[in-house]
Amino acid sequence: GESVGLHLPTLSVQEGDNSIINCAYSNSASDYFIWYKQESGKGPQFIIDIRSNMDKRQGQRVTVLLNKTVKHLSLQIAATQPGDSAVYFCAEAYNNNDMRFGAGTRLTVKP
Amino acid sequence: DAGVTQSPTHLIKTRGQQVTLRCSPKSGHDTVSWYQQALGQGPQFIFQYYEEEERQRGNFPDRFSGHQFPNYSSELNVNALLLGDSALYLCASSLGAGTREAFFGQGTRLTVV
Repeated sequence: GESVGLHLPTLSVQEGDNSIINCAYSNSASDYFIWYKQESGKGPQFIIDIRSNMDKRQGQRVTVLLNKTVKHLSLQIAATQPGDSAVYFCAEAYNNNDMRFGAGTRLTVKP
Repeated sequence: DAGVTQSPTHLIKTRGQQVTLRCSPKSGHDTVSWYQQALGQGPQFIFQYYEEEERQRGNFPDRFSGHQFPNYSSELNVNALLLGDSALYLCASSLGAGTREAFFGQGTRLTVV
């Protein structure tokens, strides 16, 4: 399933399916983008980052795609597991300045 | 290898009081940033400390101040607490000035009554 973070803040997927979480960022000059996962009662956990000179980066079960033309960032999670249930935040930064976070998307994985 | 640690985990204060929150960065990190996260929202940047100086500041009033010690740990102080200061306060650490690969602590939940 897919979600636009700011307009559809919740995403529900079946265990084992792939998840796609989308994020529209605001500053066309941003040069660094990060995805964080936040579970209830915990601080944000770093997932993966990407610099503006790349359009794709892969990690373990996760892929981040960056489309600078439309200022869009997405996080793909392969074979989603119940432990992936959390709120996912995208963040952008410009010229080594502070991170600006989006509103977040809540991912719920159904067994 | 200890991650970012914050204390206390929970705190209740009365409006008008002052509060101090503490953060120890991840081993090997020298930069500490503080964020405020209201319920249901993303973290908002307060300020960043590097080399014991405030390097960047977000849109927060002067009631919010901080300090970084020679061992890179940091404190966040909030004076004249308002009900609206109730939030989760997060500390993030990184290496070098800036925000690359910042790792967060579990946060301090502050409730102002």
